[in-house]
Amino acid sequence: EAGVAQSPRYKIIEKRQSVAFWCNPISGHATLYWYQQILGQGPKLLIQFQNNGVVDDSQLPKDRFSAERLKGVDSTLKIQPAKLEDSAVYLCASSLINGLAETQYFGPGTRLLVL
Amino acid sequence: GQQVMQIPQYQHVQEGEDFTTYCNSSTTLSNIQWYKQRPGGHPVFLIQLVKSGEVKKQKRLTFQFGEAKKNSSLHITATQTTDVGTYFCAPSAGNQFYFGTGTSLTVIP
Repeated sequence: EAGVAQSPRYKIIEKRQSVAFWCNPISGHATLYWYQQILGQGPKLLIQFQNNGVVDDSQLPKDRFSAERLKGVDSTLKIQPAKLEDSAVYLCASSLINGLAETQYFGPGTRLLVL
Repeated sequence: GQQVMQIPQYQHVQEGEDFTTYCNSSTTLSNIQWYKQRPGGHPVFLIQLVKSGEVKKQKRLTFQFGEAKKNSSLHITATQTTDVGTYFCAPSAGNQFYFGTGTSLTVIP
């Protein structure tokens, strides 16, 4: 079974530039999550989708971050404009169904460095 | 909001020694998951605990959920170099799900 795919794996940009990350979850997984993991910290949930609807985006900085999952499969996360403090690993995860008790399968992450 | 403290933040052990990490919450939890993240890697699911006082074992790993469902622990017996990584608890309370701050384990051969 293929895992969660993410691209790019690495990205270096200058502050105020825009960047987009892509995630393809495990086939058949209804729920998709985006996390931000700053070095030395635990992952912080940014947004959770069930199919193509948003379940929780309470910790998404909506003035600069946006995410979509238009067809209920793959998803993109965008930052516009980027700030220095956005340097982190952006992890995508998926689970079979919605629910806090569901096992989440993580992708390899995208490492973003903002200069 | 939910307060989750994971201790210790770092732990260095000699290979063969035991290791324990603790996750403490200020509120009653619905359930708790544990994940392991190798250096440079991504979190990998280890276990989920749901019932009060629950104990689960996976080979050398023992997971416990407190009677009050406010704390949990992960104990590794006779650590090996393959146990190196950061261990995160991920509790759920109500409709919220968090990752703890993690405990970074270093195993000295």
